[in-house]
Amino acid sequence: GQQVMQIPQYQHVQEGEDFTTYCNSSTTLSNIQWYKQRPGGHPVFLIQLVKSGEVKKQKRLTFQFGEAKKNSSLHITATQTTDVGTYFCAGRGSSNTGKLIFGQGTTLQVKP
Amino acid sequence: DTAVSQTPKYLVTQMGNDKSIKCEQNLGHDTMYWYKQDSKKFLKIMFSYNNKELIINETVPNRFSPKSPDKAHLNLHINSLELGDSAVYFCASSQLAVREKQYFGPGTRLTVT
Repeated sequence: GQQVMQIPQYQHVQEGEDFTTYCNSSTTLSNIQWYKQRPGGHPVFLIQLVKSGEVKKQKRLTFQFGEAKKNSSLHITATQTTDVGTYFCAGRGSSNTGKLIFGQGTTLQVKP
Repeated sequence: DTAVSQTPKYLVTQMGNDKSIKCEQNLGHDTMYWYKQDSKKFLKIMFSYNNKELIINETVPNRFSPKSPDKAHLNLHINSLELGDSAVYFCASSQLAVREKQYFGPGTRLTVT
């Protein structure tokens, strides 16, 4: 079945350093979404990428969707303590059920 | 206003018991989901209902039975609870279009002792 792999599982950075998490799918995706889950919280939607090679930015966050629509990345520039949490990618295949396959998540810790 | 709500927030129970978790959304969405998040934070889809019809039914023990009385509600009943059922259960909703994001509820932390 469809699988979405995400690395790294954990990342500890000093405040001000950059951070990147990578997502790879075993199959071509129709689109990919990114969610953030704060400690003790629930996943919150960040962004959706649909087009091959698409790049979107949200302030210090940059999201990319690969040309083959099988991989994606999230890059945070100059991390802040408010960036702490677990970042999930979630890929959607070609079925029309709306099913999302979540990556394992990358938990980011930021040292002040 | 709460978009997706779940009750209870915490549930502690003993093995063998039967329990239910309720979910309600006031977003007017036509699709609702149940996810299980284990201790390693892995988030896995369990069920999904579109307009009260089951459209996603993953490999889940038949002790788990979802019920959707209407589009705004999706409940999860669990029979004969086991230790391995301990997890956080999230309800989510969306409008079933290919590009629609999902809104998650606050989660229900289930602990089976």
